Amino acid sequence: GAGVSQSPSNKVTEKGKDVELRCDPISGHTALYWYRQSLGQGLEFLIYFQGNSAPDKSGLPSDRFSAERTGGSVSTLTIQRTQQEDSAVYLCASSHPSPGRRETQYFGPGTRLLVL
Amino acid sequence: QQQVKQSPQSLIVQKGGISIINCAYENTAFDYFPWYQQFPGKGPALLIAIRPDVSEKKEGRFTISFNKSAKQFSLHIMDSQPGDSATYFCAASPGNQGGKLIFGQGTELSVKP
Repeated sequence: GAGVSQSPSNKVTEKGKDVELRCDPISGHTALYWYRQSLGQGLEFLIYFQGNSAPDKSGLPSDRFSAERTGGSVSTLTIQRTQQEDSAVYLCASSHPSPGRRETQYFGPGTRLLVL
Repeated sequence: QQQVKQSPQSLIVQKGGISIINCAYENTAFDYFPWYQQFPGKGPALLIAIRPDVSEKKEGRFTISFNKSAKQFSLHIMDSQPGDSATYFCAASPGNQGGKLIFGQGTELSVKP
């Protein structure tokens, strides 16, 4: 079956421009996560969706970052007025939580963002 | 308190040897500890995971050892193979926070033939 897909796979933009990154989770997965992976660093949690709601936005680094999810499926991460320090790989993961269990998070291949 | 510290940053092992990667945490609210494997250009993939009520979990050549009192856990890869060359991340998840993962900094493993 299809895994998590992300688009674009690569994005080069100029400082100050806005960018939108898209995530298509595995069908039926109600939980969706965004993480950021900077060069040589671990993954940093950004935001968590359960359905269309985002109960945890604690990892968003600034108000230039926002995300939404529609129809309990596709999610978009938007970065406004991009800065060079936003350059990273943005990873999306999805899972299907079960009561009392921790379900595996399945990751997409990521979007590599370079801000010039 | 939300940090997970991972070591070493890089590791070179001969084929057939044992690879050992260590992680430590402070937050006692963590209740789920997965290890992820990442190949270049790919997203991370779950390798093996453990809960704090067990001290060891083994799946094939991969074993997690968990020391709750020391707040440490480690990944052992037995009979390491060149195909195991990848970056490995430990992670921890706090209970009742939606399952978000707090990752270590990663270990780049290279297995020499």
